[in-house]
Amino acid sequence: KQEVTQIPAALSVPEGENLVLNCSFTDSAIYNLQWFRQDPGKGLTSLLLIQSSQREQTSGRLNASLDKSSGRSTLYIAASQPGDSATYLCAVRDTGNQFYFGTGTSLTVIP
Amino acid sequence: KAGVTQTPRYLIKTRGQQVTLSCSPISGHRSVSWYQQTPGQGLQFLFEYFSETQRNKGNFPGRFSGRQFSNSRSEMNVSTLELGDSALYLCASSWEGAGANVLTFGAGSRLTVL
Repeated sequence: KQEVTQIPAALSVPEGENLVLNCSFTDSAIYNLQWFRQDPGKGLTSLLLIQSSQREQTSGRLNASLDKSSGRSTLYIAASQPGDSATYLCAVRDTGNQFYFGTGTSLTVIP
Repeated sequence: KAGVTQTPRYLIKTRGQQVTLSCSPISGHRSVSWYQQTPGQGLQFLFEYFSETQRNKGNFPGRFSGRQFSNSRSEMNVSTLELGDSALYLCASSWEGAGANVLTFGAGSRLTVL
């Protein structure tokens, strides 16, 4: 069974700092990996999706990488802003179309 | 383009009752998946429907069921509610195609079981 882990569970950084969030998974037989943010009490907003054949995806200040062989993905956020404060979740879709979510990293960007 | 719509947004039930939640996907999306989110267990996959057929199922008891209609709208039902069913229930839709499969989530239905 796929297990998805996110470290750290919480992170607090000053505004303007670059940061990296980590996601690891145990089974490399994945279809894709997606990063989301979730604001308190709300649904999830998709940030980036990486297909299993891709190594990275970029959108604005965000860059996500995927290393299937080591079971890792990272989300890089450049020049962080207070509006980036949220919980960030990664989700793995395996080749059997099952979805597995990490427990998330709660990010606080201090003005 | 309208997003994923979930109704109701909030509801309170008592133990033993049943509940039905509704999810209207983005127009053109044929896949709808459901998730339960709790502080203790995080986000857990319930099931996925595609073209009115359940394509996949997570590890939940049979009290949790769902269906999808010909217009891709989906409902999930929880029977004989337990206190532990209190959670945020999220649905997501996606368009199945090359380079796609991005999950778009609704705002969720928050269920409280008393």
